[in-house]
Amino acid sequence: EIVLTQSPATLSLSPGERATLSCRASQSVSYYLAWYQQKLGQAPRLLIYDASNRATGIPARFSGGGSGTDFTLTISNLEPEDFAVYYCQQRSKWPLTFGGGTKVEIK
Amino acid sequence: EVLLLESGGGLVQPGGSLRLSCTASGFTFKIYDMTWVRQAPGKGLEWVSSISGSGGTSYYADSVKGRFSVSRDNSKNILHLQMNSLRAEDTAVYYCAKHGDFGAFDMWGQGTMVTVSS
Repeated sequence: EIVLTQSPATLSLSPGERATLSCRASQSVSYYLAWYQQKLGQAPRLLIYDASNRATGIPARFSGGGSGTDFTLTISNLEPEDFAVYYCQQRSKWPLTFGGGTKVEIK
Repeated sequence: EVLLLESGGGLVQPGGSLRLSCTASGFTFKIYDMTWVRQAPGKGLEWVSSISGSGGTSYYADSVKGRFSVSRDNSKNILHLQMNSLRAEDTAVYYCAKHGDFGAFDMWGQGTMVTVSS
């Protein structure tokens, strides 16, 4: 099973700042990595697929990068609605796996 | 508008069974693979099971293999998850999710809560 390790567990930032989230895979997943945002009490929402492609309707301040085992999600200029939990997920091999999540909280 | 609506959750005793359903609308259901993901209270996301568009191929997490069974009725646009021999650790919100054209989960239902307790 491919283990995805997200860091940091919690990121404390102010609106307007830049957030950089990391996701590291225990083996190469090529570019088959997605990022999701989940707000309290809501279902997850797809942000990024295949490492760097924004999903439909996702603002340009969200960007993804990386390949192989190391990936990043960057949120430039944090908006109040961006404070949430973010998960990475790989679809390179079965079983599909998620990272443990990074909570972006207001400082 | 793409919509996924889960149903069938509830309280069940350990060892019991439950059948979840996910009714889809707004897209050509039979074309897309579908997945169940669960989230235990206060925890992260856990992939449970996936099924191909035709229903001919399915995959399961080790934690549910042999106890859960995924199926779909493409004539009614419904996805099912039959859960048997339920355990306390199966307690979670269960989401159904649609695979997008590039394989990621591009649409999610609102979730249905399953509580396994005596």
